[in-house]
Amino acid sequence: EIVMTQSPATLSVSPGERATLSCRASQSVSSNLAWYQQKPGQAPRLLIYGASTRATGIPARFSGSGSETEFTLTISSLQSEDFAVYYCQQYNNWPLTFGGGTKVEIK
Amino acid sequence: EVQVLESGGGLVQPGGSLRLSCAASGFTFDDYAMHWVRQAPGKGLEWVSAISAKGGSTEYADSVKGRFTVSRDKYKNMLFLQMDSLRAEDTAVYYCAKDPVRSFILSGSFFDPWGQGTLVTVSS
Repeated sequence: EIVMTQSPATLSVSPGERATLSCRASQSVSSNLAWYQQKPGQAPRLLIYGASTRATGIPARFSGSGSETEFTLTISSLQSEDFAVYYCQQYNNWPLTFGGGTKVEIK
Repeated sequence: EVQVLESGGGLVQPGGSLRLSCAASGFTFDDYAMHWVRQAPGKGLEWVSAISAKGGSTEYADSVKGRFTVSRDKYKNMLFLQMDSLRAEDTAVYYCAKDPVRSFILSGSFFDPWGQGTLVTVSS
């Protein structure tokens, strides 16, 4: 099983600042990596797939990068609606696995 | 609009069974694989099971293999998860999610959209 490790667990950021979230895979997943946003009481929402492709309707302030084992989600200028938990997920191998999440909170 | 909507959650005793349903709409149901993903209270996401577009292939997480069975009904546009021998650790919100890539081969993928989830509580 591929283990996905996200860091940090919690990120405190002021509105308007840049947020950088990391995701590491225990072995190469090529570019088969997705990012999701989840707000309290809601289902996750797809943000990024293929490591760097924004899903339909996702604002340009969200960007993804990386390949193989190291990935980054960057939110260029945090808006109030961006404070949430973010998960990465690999889909290169079965079983499909998620990282433990990064909570982005207001500083 | 593409939508998936779960139902069937509830309280069940350890060792019991429950069947979850997911109603799909807004897309050609038997052109896409479907998945179940769960989230224990206050915890992260765990992929549970997948079924291919035509239903001929399935995959399961080791934690549910042999106890859960995924199936689909193309005539009713429905996805199901039969959960047997339930344990306390199966307590979670269960989400139904669509594979956004049209394919008749079951391969790893991401999820979009997700349903709102249905809560399963396993407790005596």
